[in-house]
Amino acid sequence: DTAVSQTPKYLVTQMGNDKSIKCEQNLGHDTMYWYKQDSKKFLKIMFSYNNKELIINETVPNRFSPKSPDKAHLNLHINSLELGDSAVYFCASSPPFAGDSYEQYFGPGTRLTVT
Amino acid sequence: AQSVSQHNHHVILSEAASLELGCNYSYGGTVNLFWYVQYPGQHLQLLLKYFSGDPLVKGIKGFEAEFIKSKFSFNLRKPSVQWSDTAEYFCAVNGGGATNKLIFGTGTLLAVQP
Repeated sequence: DTAVSQTPKYLVTQMGNDKSIKCEQNLGHDTMYWYKQDSKKFLKIMFSYNNKELIINETVPNRFSPKSPDKAHLNLHINSLELGDSAVYFCASSPPFAGDSYEQYFGPGTRLTVT
Repeated sequence: AQSVSQHNHHVILSEAASLELGCNYSYGGTVNLFWYVQYPGQHLQLLLKYFSGDPLVKGIKGFEAEFIKSKFSFNLRKPSVQWSDTAEYFCAVNGGGATNKLIFGTGTLLAVQP
């Protein structure tokens, strides 16, 4: 069973388009995250939701809007795509914050290419 | 602000050589420390983690790491690498709390030659 899944795996689109990436976790976790990995493999957190509530919103352009319909899903919508948005986007989830439950489980990533 | 430094950006080793990848962090409070591995074309997988207790932690695939609080370091080690260890290795830290935000280092690309 896939713990954290993302669709699509690859996404190629043109500048100016609007696109969404979906993430689902079947681990029963309360918290989900979006990370961006750039061409130099640097990983940076973008957003985090805990029980559908936004708790982390890093300095990300307003064109990026996360949406959490329920605690098992965290989707990422991107408006007016730009060349610089090309990256691999990873979704992750983690259990409630207690004891040693800070481990995050990552999805397979979505490679976004903007042309 | 929290930060993580990985000094080795690219490491090339022959099989059976010993490995040590450096990781230093900057954070004033209690930290949780992680090493993640990303095999070519795959997602990040947890190698090992430190939350508290014994500063020498053992992870999967023969990896271990030592937390040295006085040096703000969490170096990754393996006594004998294999070709299958070729991957990108990321050190990460978080200060716990409500956000559980992971701060990653820039990664170290390990290439093991057969």
